[in-house]
Parts: sequence; structure tokens; C-alpha cells
Amino acid sequence: EDKVVQSPLSLVVHEGDTVTLNCSYEVTNFRSLLWYKQEKKAPTFLFMLTSSGIEKKSGRLSSILDKKELFSILNITATQTGDSAVYLCAVEANFGNEKLTFGTGTRLTIIP
Amino acid sequence: IAGITQAPTSQILAAGRRMTLRCTQDMRHNAMYWYRQDLGLGLRLIHYSNTAGTTGKGEVPDGYSVSRANTDDFPLTLASAVPSQTSVYFCASSDSTGSGYGYTFGSGTRLTVV
Repeated sequence: EDKVVQSPLSLVVHEGDTVTLNCSYEVTNFRSLLWYKQEKKAPTFLFMLTSSGIEKKSGRLSSILDKKELFSILNITATQTGDSAVYLCAVEANFGNEKLTFGTGTRLTIIP
Repeated sequence: IAGITQAPTSQILAAGRRMTLRCTQDMRHNAMYWYRQDLGLGLRLIHYSNTAGTTGKGEVPDGYSVSRANTDDFPLTLASAVPSQTSVYFCASSDSTGSGYGYTFGSGTRLTVV
């Protein structure tokens, strides 16, 4: 059974700090790992990672995948209050459709 | 309509009642999904459909049914609601030519069964 574990479950930091969120996984026939940000309602897409060692970057957010050790990290530098959200990690198996297995998420709170 | 529309936004339902959650997309995506999100458990797949006319069971299908009569609509039915079905339900769709990159989520339906 596919499995995704995220840590920490919750994190509270001050504005301006840098945070690292972790995601480890077990999946048969790995295809991709995805990060989403969920504020009040629908998750919104951040990154898709398919290859080890290649950093994806978008502004203050970056992510990298290690397919040998089966984990990914999401870094947020110079955090802002708008970064407060639940961050979800999901993996996709290569079975010809896009069913995702999600972790339980990390709740990030940024204190002004 | 832009993206995925779910209805209702929220609902309080008496146990034992039948309820259909509606989901409509206008992106012509082939694949559609229903997830439930519960505190501490994350998003779990209930049912999915890879294309119109086909459906499949996800991780937690018991007590739910779906149909996919056309590309745009993917309703989720609770035949006889129970309190353990209290949850936030998300419908999603994806372009089956890609991967999870093409996932789009609806805004969710918050269902409370009492």
C-alpha cells in the first residue's frame, strides 16, 4: 500500500524565519511527488518533482527530491504571514492514471 | 463556470438520509476524483473515474457511490448517511495526458451528519 508521511505535523515560526518541511514516501512504481498549499479551501499546486537532485524553485519556495532515500523537502525562506497554511505532499504511481496518495500535511503558522 | 464547481458548499444532514454532492468541471478533463479530508488523516480517495462511463474504487469507498454519465459531471452519493461520513469532500479533475501536475481541486463541501 502506498504511504506518505509528513513531518512535522505542525510548525510555528516568526516572520522572516526559514522553514523546512519533510515528506517521506513508499510507493510502487513511483511517477512523481507533488507539493500543494492549502489555505482555507482547495489545495493549490506548488511543485511536481520527478527526478532526484533537481531543485524546483518559485520565489521564496523551493523543493528537491531524493529518490534513493525516498523523501522530499520543501523550503520556504524569509517567511511571511501569507505563508501560513497546510502544506500537503502527495505521490503518484505510474499506473496510467493520476490517483494521488496524500500525506496528512504540515500546518505552518507564521507569527508576525 | 471556471474550473470545478462543487455544490452545496456546506450541508447538515440527518443520519439515514440520502445525499448527493455535485461536481461539475468545464476543462474537459478526462479523469475525476472524490476525496474526503479529515483532521489527522489527510486527503483520502473515495472513488475515481478515468473517463466518462467508467468508475473505480479508491481507498475508502464504503457507503459512497458515483456515476460518470458524461465528461463534465461526477456526482457522489451517500445512500444512507452516517456520522462517520462527517468530513470535507473535495472533487478534483486532471488532464489524463499529464500527471498530478494537471490536478485541479474544487472548493470543497463541508458535510456534517448528525
